[in-house]
Amino acid sequence: GDSVTQMEGPVTLSEEAFLTINCTYTATGYPSLFWYVQYPGEGLQLLLKATKADDKGSNKGFEATYRKETTSFHLEKGSVQVSDSAVYFCALRPLGNTDKLIFGTGTRLQVFP
Amino acid sequence: DAGITQSPRYKITETGRQVTLMCHQTWSHSYMFWYRQDLGHGLRLIYYSAAADITDKGEVPDGYVVSRSKTENFPLTLESATRSQTSVYFCASSAGQGVGEQYFGPGTRLTVT
Repeated sequence: GDSVTQMEGPVTLSEEAFLTINCTYTATGYPSLFWYVQYPGEGLQLLLKATKADDKGSNKGFEATYRKETTSFHLEKGSVQVSDSAVYFCALRPLGNTDKLIFGTGTRLQVFP
Repeated sequence: DAGITQSPRYKITETGRQVTLMCHQTWSHSYMFWYRQDLGHGLRLIYYSAAADITDKGEVPDGYVVSRSKTENFPLTLESATRSQTSVYFCASSAGQGVGEQYFGPGTRLTVT
């Protein structure tokens, strides 16, 4: 069945460092792909999305490109801030007529000043 | 208030008691979801609903009951709480029609003693 695999965390970075969080998926056809962020004590918030191959989603300095050939949707940011410390979830919406999402296990990012 | 709300935010209950977690959304979204979040497991889908009076099981439905008599409400009931149901519970909603994006509530932290 469809699945999402994320890199293990925590990812620990200094402020202004470059961030990459890897996400790969297994799915039939061309699912929609999402990144969600969860700040401490809060629910998940949609960060960005891409709905077809080669689409680039972007928001708040974060980017991810839908790569069909490598079945990947890696999250990147050129210069992280302490305020980016959170848990990041990659997710896919399988083909079909429901809005169910399949989530990865999440990657914790810790940014130090 | 607009958006998606959950109540209570925190709940402590004893093994064997019935507990109901409430979820309310103001967007008239057709889909609603219940997840539990546990360390090492990420988010796991308990139940979802495509519309009022239409519900379906997710990945981990055992021990839970849902109903949806009105579009805006989707309560989750633990009929006889067990310690293994200690978790953080998130409700989410989405517009349907293949949009895919889910919007999450702030969560309910449930402890079963």
